[in-house]
Amino acid sequence: KAGVTQTPRYLIKTRGQQVTLSCSPISGHRSVSWYQQTPGQGLQFLFEYFSETQRNKGNFPGRFSGRQFSNSRSEMNVSTLELGDSALYLCASSWQGTTYEQYFGPGTRLTVT
Amino acid sequence: GIQVEQSPPDLILQEGANSTLRCNFSDSVNNLQWFHQNPWGQLINLFYIPSGTKQNGRLSATTVATERYSLLYISSSQTTDSGVYFCAVVTIIQGAQKLVFGQGTRLTINP
Repeated sequence: KAGVTQTPRYLIKTRGQQVTLSCSPISGHRSVSWYQQTPGQGLQFLFEYFSETQRNKGNFPGRFSGRQFSNSRSEMNVSTLELGDSALYLCASSWQGTTYEQYFGPGTRLTVT
Repeated sequence: GIQVEQSPPDLILQEGANSTLRCNFSDSVNNLQWFHQNPWGQLINLFYIPSGTKQNGRLSATTVATERYSLLYISSSQTTDSGVYFCAVVTIIQGAQKLVFGQGTRLTINP
């Protein structure tokens, strides 16, 4: 079974621009979560989607948004980029049956200049 | 919210040594995962362990949920074991889940 995939792997953007990151979960997984990793704050939860609905959201400003499609693929969008948004963005999927074990993709490394 | 603390923050060992990484959490949790972050940033699943002990080759993990801690053991360390190890607790509220991560333990295995 293919793992979680994320595109693009690397991205360089300028302050004020917006960016969209994509995540394809493991086949059969219906829950997709997003996390941000920075050297200062570590790994922090952004949001979780299940059946196209956002079920949980972390403590991030409204510039961070996401969505999930009917095939469980998910996108996250960051508008009006700031230098502090430079980070590794990780996506994880889980089955939501008898186990909530999460599996991570390779991440998208975003640099804001 | 729940707090997750990992110790030690850094660990430097010689190849062949054994190591123990600790994860303490501040409240009861639904489950716990251990990850190894590879040099490219991907989190590799090691264990999904709400309680008890699991083993996978040279690695094993023990979670004592009643005392709110988990331990990751690495025996006969190899240079390829180097990297950052994270524990993360799983919280589930009305079906919505999230992982709360510790700050990680950076393990360096010297040849």
